[in-house]
This record gives sequence, C-alpha cells and structure tokens, in this order.
Amino acid sequence: NAGVIQTPRHKVTGKGQEATLWCEPISGHSAVFWYRQTIVQGLEFLTYFRNQAPIDDSGMPKERFSAQMPNQSHSTLKIQSTQPQDSAVYLCASSLGARNSDYTFGSGTRLLVI
Amino acid sequence: AQKVTQTQTSISVMEKTTVTMDCVYETRDSSYFLFWYKQTASGEIVFLIRQDSYKKENATEGHYSLNFQKPKSSIGLIITATQIEDSAVYFCAMRENTEGADRLTFGKGTQLIIQP
Repeated sequence: NAGVIQTPRHKVTGKGQEATLWCEPISGHSAVFWYRQTIVQGLEFLTYFRNQAPIDDSGMPKERFSAQMPNQSHSTLKIQSTQPQDSAVYLCASSLGARNSDYTFGSGTRLLVI
Repeated sequence: AQKVTQTQTSISVMEKTTVTMDCVYETRDSSYFLFWYKQTASGEIVFLIRQDSYKKENATEGHYSLNFQKPKSSIGLIITATQIEDSAVYFCAMRENTEGADRLTFGKGTQLIIQP
C-alpha cells in the first residue's frame, strides 16, 4: 500500500497560468478530500467526493477552482488563472468513508505562484 | 457550524516527560467524532487517535491518550514518556455524525518541541 499519492510535490506557476494537481487515493477508500494549508489559515477544507461523486465543494473558491474525480483511482484539482494568494500546500486525503474513519493524507503539493 | 480551537501555539518540554495539549470544540450535534493528527517537519500528516463522543472512556493508543471532558467540549491529547521524534505540530479535528457532515474541521495546531 503506497498510501495517498500526490503529484507533483512542488509546482511553480506564473501569475495567470493554470495549475493542475493530481491525487491517487488508497485503493478501496470511497471518500477523497482536498484541503489547503497555509500559515495564516491553517488547514482549510476545499471539496470532497464519495464514490467519485462530488458531495461538498463549499470550501472551493468559486470562480477559478474546480475538482474532478473521473475514476476511483484519481482526482484532480485545477486552478485557473492562478494568483499569488493561491500559494499554499494542497493536501489530498482519502478514507474508508465511515464517519468515524480517519483520513490518510498524501504528502501534498506545494504550489508557488510568482 | 462546527469550530475547533487550539489555544496553545507552541509547547516545549524535556524529553521523557508527559505533555498535554488542549483542544476545545463547538458543535450543535450530540454525536460527533474527535481526532488528533501529527504533522512532522517533512510535512507528513499522520492520524494518531480518535474519540467517539458517545464513549465515556478515554481513548488510548500506545503512548497517546485523550482526556475527553464532554461537558466542557474539551479533548486534550496526553503524550507520556515523550521522545525527540514526538517534536511536531499536533492538530485536533472534529467531524459531526450527521448525514453529509463528512469533512473534518481542524484546529490551527500546537507545535510541540521536545528538548533533550
């Protein structure tokens, strides 16, 4: 079990460019979550999927962020027209889906927008 | 809305001692789940221990244990016989036990420094 795999580990984009972040959850985990971590805001929920279906995207900035889960083995988070304030560590986590299930986090993608 | 508060920004203790990290939470639900996670210097976030709100006994896992005080909406993490490798940032988190409430809400974290 390789755990939750996130790629790339680091990404630098110019302001206004697009960034796509990838996540491969643990096989058999039905829930996939995306969080963003910054020094100021801490761990912020963005969105999550259950059995590939989008359930709650209430944490997503509406205009430029989107997430998909086209199959059970991967999810993507896309940021269009990146801004410096999007710089953060983006974390993907997966879980078995029960409410008392813990998350397994990936190592994160550190996004820097310059 | 649920809220999790960790007031201790940083704690420093000597190796082999016991440390307690505080966490208080807000929820309107009578049933919920509380978690503690550890983030190491490399950035890796690891699950440590969970408390189910309907259980009266405090959860324990290795040298981690919890001090669950439901009337005070408090869930403290106790680490006994601390080791250098326990140095990390510790996050408290909560999930309500209602349909659709699958996300975890995290506190801002407490940095623990273990001194030799």
